[in-house]
Amino acid sequence: GQQVMQIPQYQHVQEGEDFTTYCNSSTTLSNIQWYKQRPGGHPVFLIQLVKSGEVKKQKRLTFQFGEAKKNSSLHITATQTTDVGTYFCAGLMIKAAGNKLTFGGGTRVLVKP
Amino acid sequence: DGGITQSPKYLFRKEGQNVTLSCEQNLNHDAMYWYRQDPGQGLRLIYYSQIVNDFQKGDIAEGYSVSREKKESFPLTVTSAQKNPTAFYLCASSYGRAGELFFGEGSRLTVL
Repeated sequence: GQQVMQIPQYQHVQEGEDFTTYCNSSTTLSNIQWYKQRPGGHPVFLIQLVKSGEVKKQKRLTFQFGEAKKNSSLHITATQTTDVGTYFCAGLMIKAAGNKLTFGGGTRVLVKP
Repeated sequence: DGGITQSPKYLFRKEGQNVTLSCEQNLNHDAMYWYRQDPGQGLRLIYYSQIVNDFQKGDIAEGYSVSREKKESFPLTVTSAQKNPTAFYLCASSYGRAGELFFGEGSRLTVL
């Protein structure tokens, strides 16, 4: 079945530094979505990427969808304490029998002030 | 304000008891979903429904049941057949087949 893997599982970042988290799917995706879950909270949608090679930016966050539509990355520049949380990617496969959105295991981000 | 409401927020249950978690949305979304999250883990799909009176099993449906009698409501029953029910349960909805998910605040179930 479809699998979505995220690395690293944990990311300890010094405030002000940059980091990248990666998402890899075992199958080609229709789109990929990214969510952020703050500690004790629920996942909140960040962005959706649809096209091969697509790059989108949200302030300090840069999202990229691979050419083969099987991988994605999230790059955060100048990390702030507000970036603390777990970032999940979710890969969508659209099928006649019904869509299947599979979440990765998440990257838990801890920021050292 | 539009959104998804889950209740209860916290629930304790004795082994062998069934429990039903409520999920209501006023976003006029067609699709609704139930996910399970274990500590430090990702989200695993239990059941989903794309239209009223229809639903499909997700990856971990055993020991759970759902109904979709109204567009706004998608309750989840955790039955006594679920071997490891202690978890954080998240309900979500989406407008279309490929749209973003809107999550409720979750229900934390603890089996004593």
